[in-house]
Amino acid sequence: QVQLMQSGGELKKPGASVKVSCKASGYIFSNHGISWVRQAPGQGLEWMGWIGAYTGNTNDAQKFQGRLTMTAEQSTNTVYMELRSLRFDDTAVYYCARNRSVYSGGHQYTLDVWGQGTMITVSS
Amino acid sequence: DIQMTQTPSSLSASIGDKVTITCRASQSISVYLNWFQQKPSKAPELLIYGASRLHSGVPSRFSGSGSGTEFTLTINALQPEDFATYYCLQTFSTPWTFGQGTKVEIK
Repeated sequence: QVQLMQSGGELKKPGASVKVSCKASGYIFSNHGISWVRQAPGQGLEWMGWIGAYTGNTNDAQKFQGRLTMTAEQSTNTVYMELRSLRFDDTAVYYCARNRSVYSGGHQYTLDVWGQGTMITVSS
Repeated sequence: DIQMTQTPSSLSASIGDKVTITCRASQSISVYLNWFQQKPSKAPELLIYGASRLHSGVPSRFSGSGSGTEFTLTINALQPEDFATYYCLQTFSTPWTFGQGTKVEIK
């Protein structure tokens, strides 16, 4: 079955970097992009950006530009999300989700399969 | 950025009730609207895409409607497993943006 398996939680100090992995299985990796979504404790969902698994092209939210790098490794069907210069308010569960192309009133994307989430805690 | 305003932020309902959640976009997004359900400590799950298309495996008591700037998620005959938080997401333009969420609680 289609699955996204994420790496384990981490504790980081302010100013450090973190790299989260998302390993895909059960589908053709290069056919779908991967989005990253985060959720601070007790808060809502926030889309961070996405990467095309075949092209490696990325599109990220402006608030993360300069701190966020997403990469795709086709040999291992794995996508990575690196966030640098961590701040206390980066404490959150980080999810990867598969971008699925659908046609409904136009060509669009949805997020149809999600990883289990990775808790990143930023604390001194 | 497109702002998504979701109402109400929470509601109480009983088993068997009909529940309606609304999402309003700050500009027209055609039907590029998705609905997700999230249970505590779990990843979100897709319910509806394209404003009204039911994702595979989702019970038919869930339905979505709307276009342009106004969208609705309806749950007919609420079941115990439906108590959760629901989010809308627009994928019309980046950055994709979520509504603030609606928590559906047991009355």
